[in-house]
Amino acid sequence: DADVTQTPRNRITKTGKRIMLECSQTKGHDRMYWYRQDPGLGLRLIYYSFDVKDINKGEISDGYSVSRQAQAKFSLSLESAIPNQTALYFCATSGTGVGTQYFGPGTRLTVL
Amino acid sequence: SQQGEEDPQALSIQEGENATMNCSYKTSINNLQWYRQNSGRGLVHLILIRSNEREKHSGRLRVTLDTSKKSSSLLITASRAADTASYFCATGLMDTGRRALTFGSGTRLQVQP
Repeated sequence: DADVTQTPRNRITKTGKRIMLECSQTKGHDRMYWYRQDPGLGLRLIYYSFDVKDINKGEISDGYSVSRQAQAKFSLSLESAIPNQTALYFCATSGTGVGTQYFGPGTRLTVL
Repeated sequence: SQQGEEDPQALSIQEGENATMNCSYKTSINNLQWYRQNSGRGLVHLILIRSNEREKHSGRLRVTLDTSKKSSSLLITASRAADTASYFCATGLMDTGRRALTFGSGTRLQVQP
């Protein structure tokens, strides 16, 4: 089984809808991250969490919120989705803040 | 602008040739990492080089780091069609206020069989 899983893998939704993307990991890492990737671009950090009580904004947190339900679970929510949030979203974990990151398979989100 | 910038943005070579990708960054780093991404999939860690290291090898991969020039290179020797992917550098900054990696925009490598 994969160490980092994301659900759903694909989602099409409409403008204004609330969407939740979920991430689970079995690596036992404290640190978890949410990124978005736009076509032809690198990854931009949305939020990151260093433990259940430590949530930090990344470079593009506007329009997003997160919840760290447990060490193994980190969810990303789009409160009111808009078309420019159409992107590929990745969850990742790491054992240290600037160490190796382990990525989930991604969620492809389309906002119409 | 991005902390890490890869060059070239795209590279097309024949199978068996070597592929070299470069990464430049702006601020002092703790480490620099290279990741690979197959189309539409999650990134996979390839190699990590610390700021006090100058060169590191892993199989057909060779990474160099020049902290005086704030640059790194990834060399893939004897490339294979299966090496076709995007390659990203990521920097772990010394600034403890930013406790996460910063990714560049990537190099798209196409290896022609």
